[in-house]
Amino acid sequence: GAVVSQHPSRVICKSGTSVKIECRSLDFQATTMFWYRQFPKQSLMLMATSNEGSKATYEQGVEKDKFLINHASLTLSTLTVTSAHPEDSSFYICSASGPGKKLFFGSGTQLSVL
Amino acid sequence: DQQVKQNSPSLSVQEGRISILNCDYTNSMFDYFLWYKKYPAEGPTFLISISSIKDKNEDGRFTVFLNKSAKHLSLHIVPSQPGDSAVYFCAARFSGNTGKLIFGQGTTLQVKP
Repeated sequence: GAVVSQHPSRVICKSGTSVKIECRSLDFQATTMFWYRQFPKQSLMLMATSNEGSKATYEQGVEKDKFLINHASLTLSTLTVTSAHPEDSSFYICSASGPGKKLFFGSGTQLSVL
Repeated sequence: DQQVKQNSPSLSVQEGRISILNCDYTNSMFDYFLWYKKYPAEGPTFLISISSIKDKNEDGRFTVFLNKSAKHLSLHIVPSQPGDSAVYFCAARFSGNTGKLIFGQGTTLQVKP
């Protein structure tokens, strides 16, 4: 089946630094990818829709200057958390629309900001 | 405003019995519903889905029922197995949008041997 690879799986960083998370569709092309965030014991919340070759669409309340999304190719989208702070600590998950119009999720990235 | 709600945070059942996970939604514009299984620190895994034009979809041990008038869906797992223990998320999709999903809060299922 279709595979979405997300890297890194876990990252710990100091407050004020930036962190980049990669999401790759390994065996299919994805013109659209999605970034979700999950706080402990809460629902997955859509942050933004990443469109290949164009600007991302952000959900209400998500700061686009803080969460930079780049979708430069049909198989790669990146999320950069800029100037990370402890409140940005969360589980970030990407997904891609793949074969059969199904959504395939990456394995997630646990971000811890000290 | 929580458009998709899973009001039971946890459920415990005995192995071999039926597990019933419930989900309610508020938005009539949803046209597709999905159930995902998730383990800690992992991404969700797709289980089963149902279109709003149907009221039942079955796949092996998993059956999803949709009651549009009540804006309610449920996932039945029978027989339940210890390996089914995980967090189950209900998700809804807006008509015409293949990727934007609205998730419920999740229900932690524990299947006891």
